[in-house]
Amino acid sequence: GAGVSQSPSNKVTEKGKDVELRCDPISGHTALYWYRQSLGQGLEFLIYFQGNSAPDKSGLPSDRFSAERTGGSVSTLTIQRTQQEDSAVYLCASSPEVSTDTQYFGPGTRLTVL
Amino acid sequence: AQSVTQLDSHVSVSEGTPVLLRCNYSSSYSPSLFWYVQHPNKGLQLLLKYTSAATLVKGINGFEAEFKKSETSFHLTKPSAHMSDAAEYFCVVSKRPSGTYKYIFGTGTRLKVLA
Repeated sequence: GAGVSQSPSNKVTEKGKDVELRCDPISGHTALYWYRQSLGQGLEFLIYFQGNSAPDKSGLPSDRFSAERTGGSVSTLTIQRTQQEDSAVYLCASSPEVSTDTQYFGPGTRLTVL
Repeated sequence: AQSVTQLDSHVSVSEGTPVLLRCNYSSSYSPSLFWYVQHPNKGLQLLLKYTSAATLVKGINGFEAEFKKSETSFHLTKPSAHMSDAAEYFCVVSKRPSGTYKYIFGTGTRLKVLA
C-alpha cells in the first residue's frame, strides 16, 4: 500500500517568505508526527497529532512555526517569515496510534532558505 | 529530563564481523526505546523496539538489542555485518512525562562496512 508522502520534495525560498509543507499519512493512521533533521542538530521532534489534535506544541522551534491537521488525515507545517536557520529536511511520520506504535516515515521535504 | 546518547558518531567494521552500536539513555520513567535506520537517500525505517516486555529484542535484518536498566543502555548488535548494513542508525527514547508524548532521537551513528 501507499506509504507516507510529503510535498514538495524540495523547496527553495527567500528569507522572509512563508512556506507550507504538506504530509499525507498512511490511510487509517490516527497519529502523525513532524520532525526536523538538520546538519549538526540531528533529528528534532517538533509536534505530533492524535487525530486532529496536537496536545503539546512546545517542541515547535518558535512562534513562526505552526501545524494543523484536518479530517484526521493531511497535515500542513507552516513556517512564517523564514530564516536561514530554518533550512533543514522536514520529516513526517505516521502510526496507527500514538504510544509505542512503529512510526512510518515519509521521504522528507528539503527546505533551503536563501 | 530524558535524553539519549549515542556514544559513537562513526563505526567501521569489516564485512562478516560483529556490529556494536552503543546507546545510553536517561529517563525518570520507564522508557520505550527504538532503533531506526536511515539508508542513503531513503526514509527512516524501524529496526526494533523495546516496550517493557522481553529485555532482548530481535529486529529486522538480523539486528537485536538488549535493554539493560542497571546500565541504562540499549546497545544494537548484529553477529555478522553485511555491506547492505552501511547506513546511519538512530537510537530513540519515547516517554510521556505529563500525559503527552516526547520522542528524543540520538545524534546518530554512521556505520561503514568494509569489504
